[in-house]
Amino acid sequence: AQSVTQLGSHVSVSEGALVLLRCNYSSSVPPYLFWYVQYPNQGLQLLLKYTSAATLVKGINGFEAEFKKSETSFHLTKPSAHMSDAAEYFCAVSWNTGFQKLVFGTGTRLLVSP
Amino acid sequence: SQTIHQWPATLVQPVGSPLSLECTVEGTSNPNLYWYRQAAGRGLQLLFYSVGIGQISSEVPQNLSASRPQDRQFILSSKKLLLSDSGFYLCAWSLPGEQYFGPGTRLTVT
Repeated sequence: AQSVTQLGSHVSVSEGALVLLRCNYSSSVPPYLFWYVQYPNQGLQLLLKYTSAATLVKGINGFEAEFKKSETSFHLTKPSAHMSDAAEYFCAVSWNTGFQKLVFGTGTRLLVSP
Repeated sequence: SQTIHQWPATLVQPVGSPLSLECTVEGTSNPNLYWYRQAAGRGLQLLFYSVGIGQISSEVPQNLSASRPQDRQFILSSKKLLLSDSGFYLCAWSLPGEQYFGPGTRLTVT
């Protein structure tokens, strides 16, 4: 079965430091990849998506992610963390764009300290 | 623009009571609709999806059911809640290539 692995349930960074959240998927077929952010008691907001165009994808709030087929990875990065980035981040994968059945990772909570 | 609504925002229900959560979408026609559950410390689990009125597919055998009585309305129900039904329930709809989520309903079964 297809799966998504997010390494680290919690990641702590200092304000201004690099943010790196890891995501790996299991598939030999290039999928469609997404990163979502969830603030407490809210729904999920789409940060960025990869749909077989450029491998480096830029999203909202200064985040970007790079699709690496050889590593089956889609890690999320941001050069400089802000306090407002503290939230839970979910990586998700879909193998079609018509009916879109997303498989989610278990999430990574990003903690940002002053 | 498209908007997705869920209500109620929070709900506390005793074990054995019925449940009805509603989701409506504005600004689009014939969307694919989804119900997810997010349990504490876990990712999102797809519960049901629908590609049209009256068409419901279940992903996980459970105590819940779903219905789609109108094109942009998706309802999650239970006849008798269990403690394990507690969680954060999210409705979503999709365009080709993107899926959008509602604000969620926090359900606590006591």
